Amino acid sequence: SQTIHQWPATLVQPVGSPLSLECTVEGTSNPNLYWYRQAAGRGLQLLFYSVGIGQISSEVPQNLSASRPQDRQFILSSKKLLLSDSGFYLCAWSRQTGGYTFGSGTRLTVV
Amino acid sequence: AQSVTQPDIHITVSEGASLELRCNYSYGATPYLFWYVQSPGQGLQLLLKYFSGDTLVQGIKGFEAEFKRSQSSFNLRKPSVHWSDAAEYFCAVAASGGSYIPTFGRGTSLIVHP
Repeated sequence: SQTIHQWPATLVQPVGSPLSLECTVEGTSNPNLYWYRQAAGRGLQLLFYSVGIGQISSEVPQNLSASRPQDRQFILSSKKLLLSDSGFYLCAWSRQTGGYTFGSGTRLTVV
Repeated sequence: AQSVTQPDIHITVSEGASLELRCNYSYGATPYLFWYVQSPGQGLQLLLKYFSGDTLVQGIKGFEAEFKRSQSSFNLRKPSVHWSDAAEYFCAVAASGGSYIPTFGRGTSLIVHP
C-alpha cells in the first residue's frame, strides 16, 4: 500500500533562518506531489505541485521554493524565513484522479 | 476556475443527532467533488469522492454525500454523530477536464456535545 511521510512534525525557527521540509511517498511511482499551507482558521492554500522529477509549478509567489530531486521526494525550502511563513504545511500525493492522500503535516512557527 | 464555499464556519450538534455540512461549488461542467476530515494537528483524510454515476456517495465512518447539480451542492451527511466525529471538514472541487487539482473550501469545524 502507499504511504506518505512528512517530517519534521513540528519546527520552531527564527526569522531569517533557512527552511527545509521533506516529503516522501512509498508504494507508488510517478505520483503527482503537492505542498499546501494551512493558516489558522483558513482553508488550504496550494503552494507548489509537481507532475514529475524537476517539474515544479508555483501557485503563489513568495519566498518559498520547492524541488523534486527524485520521483517520490518533494522538498519545500526557504533561504530566509519570514514571520508570515508560520503555519501548518501539508504534503500530498495523488494520481491524476482519485483524490489526494495527505501527510501528517508540519507545524512551523517562525519566531 | 472552480471555487467552493462552505457557508458554515462552525456547527454544533449533540451526540447521536443527525448532521449535514453544506458545500456549494462553482464550475462550468460536472466537477470532481471531495470531502476530507482533519483532526487537530493532523493531515487530511479522504471521506468520500464523487466523479460520476450515482449522485449519492457513501464514504468511510458512516458518512454520505449527495451531488445535486441543480443546486451546485455536495452536502455531507451522517445520521447519528459520535463524539469522535468532532473535527474540521473540508469540501473540495476539481475540474474534471483540467489539471484535477482540487480547490478547497475554508472548512467547517464540527463540535459535538455529549
